[in-house]
Amino acid sequence: SAVISQKPSRDICQRGTSLTIQCQVDSQVTMMFWYRQQPGQSLTLIATANQGSEATYESGFVIDKFPISRPNLTFSTLTVSNMSPEDSSIYLCSVARFTEAFFGQGTRLTVV
Amino acid sequence: QKEVEQNSGPLSVPEGAIASLNCTYSDRGSQSFFWYRQYSGKSPELIMFIYSNGDKEDGRFTAQLNKASQYVSLLIRDSQPSDSATYLCAVNLDQTGANNLFFGTGTRLTVIP
Repeated sequence: SAVISQKPSRDICQRGTSLTIQCQVDSQVTMMFWYRQQPGQSLTLIATANQGSEATYESGFVIDKFPISRPNLTFSTLTVSNMSPEDSSIYLCSVARFTEAFFGQGTRLTVV
Repeated sequence: QKEVEQNSGPLSVPEGAIASLNCTYSDRGSQSFFWYRQYSGKSPELIMFIYSNGDKEDGRFTAQLNKASQYVSLLIRDSQPSDSATYLCAVNLDQTGANNLFFGTGTRLTVIP
């Protein structure tokens, strides 16, 4: 298994500001993944974070809005920039171990 | 375009019955398929994965895969109230792992005591 610590667990932010979410894994992993889960919806992959290279973003997500850092093999951050109420969602980081994906506890973001 | 579709439900079954959850996917290149359970306010947790056509059983759970029809299902036998949750189907082009998962919208299951 993998233990993933994600913080903050929740936050309420003013529109126009930015929030950085941190994800710490208990062991080294090549790839880390960031997902968004909007209210009542399923998970949508935002991007894949590789150590030593730029993140790979899925369609509909751009680096200017969701910059990602991956300074080492156990840590990653996702920033939600210039927030609007439409960014209110749960953000989850994830790692894959063989056939299983493990998720952090999630960050519940509310933009007012 | 990678699409994974599920009936959103809610699906209600009586305790002890069989719950049947269905999922279709659009990308014929998909190689690995996963079922996750998500309790309200919690992160998803893996129930089963399946790579090959046919059935795979694990306790009360059976996953069924039909690649020709691009269809995967999950059967829950002897359903319990604790099975009440949202069930997420996920697919991946990578046969060997759980990277880059694409999730369906989930089916909410309620097991009635």
